[in-house]
Amino acid sequence: GEDVEQSLFLSVREGDSSVINCTYTDSSSTYLYWYKQEPGAGLQLLTYIFSNMDMKQDQRLTVLLNKKDKHLSLRIADTQTGDSAIYFCAEGVRNSGYALNFGKGTSLLVTP
Amino acid sequence: DAGVIQSPRHEVTEMGQEVTLRCKPISGHNSLFWYRQTMMRGLELLIYFNNNVPIDDSGMPEDRFSAKMPNASFSTLKIQPSEPRDSAVYFCASTPRPGPDTEAFFGQGTRLTVV
Repeated sequence: GEDVEQSLFLSVREGDSSVINCTYTDSSSTYLYWYKQEPGAGLQLLTYIFSNMDMKQDQRLTVLLNKKDKHLSLRIADTQTGDSAIYFCAEGVRNSGYALNFGKGTSLLVTP
Repeated sequence: DAGVIQSPRHEVTEMGQEVTLRCKPISGHNSLFWYRQTMMRGLELLIYFNNNVPIDDSGMPEDRFSAKMPNASFSTLKIQPSEPRDSAVYFCASTPRPGPDTEAFFGQGTRLTVV
């Protein structure tokens, strides 16, 4: 599919906020997702946002959606070393049973 | 539930050999997806099944790749003959039903190395 774009790396200090940005391709996407992948593991759904929402908050996670610019961001408050992982932005592809079209992932490194 | 189970976790094989990757979806899930993850291309959808029927296989790279789902609790992805460029992590995922509001549950993946 077309590219979902993410920056590849982000490094933050423990306790700071992390912001991971993503641009997606399909303006008709109804749901947009953030998945987390820890080393040697599969992907785990962190959160998702419905396209008629601008913001969704879930504990330390805040998702912002700008439909006009097709821009999605994930903010992690009070980032911990356990948050170090790869974060994938994804959109559902309607014609494939809403299979996920993923970005290449952002590697988040949290330093003490 | 134990989640999506993939086997083997690691596979090393010689070029030209046949490789079979296995997946057991979560019980009751009707949709199953195979993805491939590489550094260069990220995560790519290979094939999608709904109710054991292949719906979209447009992501299968070549005829060397084939996938089956003989029943609701088992799927295989076969590569014959394998080539070094097939080296990747292969993920299986399942969802309760097709649709944008369902969570995809991923297995741990099979890391394939073709030498």
